Formats: sequence, C-alpha cells, structure tokens
Amino acid sequence: AQTVTQSQPEMSVQEAETVTLSCTYDTSESDYYLFWYKQPPSRQMILVIRQEAYKQQNATENRFSVNFQKAAKSFSLKISDSQLGDAAMYFCAYRSARKDSNYQLIWGAGTKLIIKP
Amino acid sequence: EAQVTQNPRYLITVTGKKLTVTCSQNMNHEYMSWYRQDPGLGLRQIYYSMNVEVTDKGDVPEGYKVSRKEKRNFPLILESPSPNQTSLYFCASRQPFYNSPLHFGNGTRLTVT
Repeated sequence: AQTVTQSQPEMSVQEAETVTLSCTYDTSESDYYLFWYKQPPSRQMILVIRQEAYKQQNATENRFSVNFQKAAKSFSLKISDSQLGDAAMYFCAYRSARKDSNYQLIWGAGTKLIIKP
Repeated sequence: EAQVTQNPRYLITVTGKKLTVTCSQNMNHEYMSWYRQDPGLGLRQIYYSMNVEVTDKGDVPEGYKVSRKEKRNFPLILESPSPNQTSLYFCASRQPFYNSPLHFGNGTRLTVT
C-alpha cells in the first residue's frame, strides 16, 4: 500500500525568505498524481499545486514550486518570498492513476508552517 | 459560486445523541467523500461515494453512516457518537477523473462529551 510521509511536523521561516517542505512517498506504481494542499487557520483546504508523475518538468504556481524527484520518491514544496498569509498547515497527498483505486487520495500527516515577521 | 457547503461549522453534543452533518455541492460532481482530521494523523477517509446510491467504506468507517440519495447531498450520520469521534470533519467532492482536484467544505468541528 502506498504511504506518504511528511517528516517535518513544524517549520518556521522569516518573512520574505524561502522555505522548503519535504514529502516522500512509497509506491510501486509508475503513474500517479501528487498534490500539496494548504490549510490556513480558517480551516479551509486549498489546493496549492499538483504534479503528474509522467511530467518531468516541475510544477510552478507563482511563488510556489515543487521539486519532484521520481526516482527518490520525493515531492518537496518550495515557497519563495514567504508572506504572513502563507502561515498554515501544508498537506502532501498521493493519488494512484489506477482506476481500481477509485483515485483515492493518500495523505501525509502535515507540516505546520510558521512565518516570522 | 461553485462550492461545497457543510453544516454546521461547530457542533457540541453528548455521548449517544444521534447527529447528522450535512454536505451539499453545486458542481454536479459524481464523487463525494468524508474525512476526519486529527492532529498528527492528517486526513483519514471515513466513507466515499462514486455516484448516487453507491457508497463505500474508507479507512475509518466504524461508528459512521452515510447515504447518497441524490447527487448533490452526502450527509454523515453518527448514530451514537462517542468521545473518540471528537474531531474536525471535512466533506469533499470532485469529478471522477484521475486528475480532478478535491473541493472541500469548510469543515465541522465536532466535540462529543
């Protein structure tokens, strides 16, 4: 069974600096999808960025980018120019491309990101 | 506005008193799901539904019931809540495709005393 590990329960960064949140996963599959979700104090779950495993190019969304290392099964999230509004829990999630998986998401435990003003 | 509406936002109840958390989506999504979120455990799936009248157990279904009588609604029922069901609950929906992102409700904070 697939698993997702976020080894950093908490991270802190100075405002305007860059921070990287780590995520590793375990799978024997070659085709899958990876997601990062953000959960601010409002509790809302917000999709930050997603990456298809067959795409070699790392996904980017404004200040958010990923470092996808398929062989290493690593999917880290880099936040550049950190802002106070980036303070949140960040969850990494894996989805198999197999139809018999019903495309369920497998979640990491989350990393709490603190932004220091 | 496309959204998943979940109610109530907060709920405090006592052990054994049946409750229902409602979930409705206006995006015509076939897939809907319930999760619970607990510190250090991330999100764990309770039940999901691939379409009307089609539901299946997730990772932690014990103590919960669901129904999917119509496409837009997917209520979560706790027939006899217990303190270990104190948690943050999320409803979510998506299209049935591999690359479809989940759309979440705003969560229900449930406390069972």
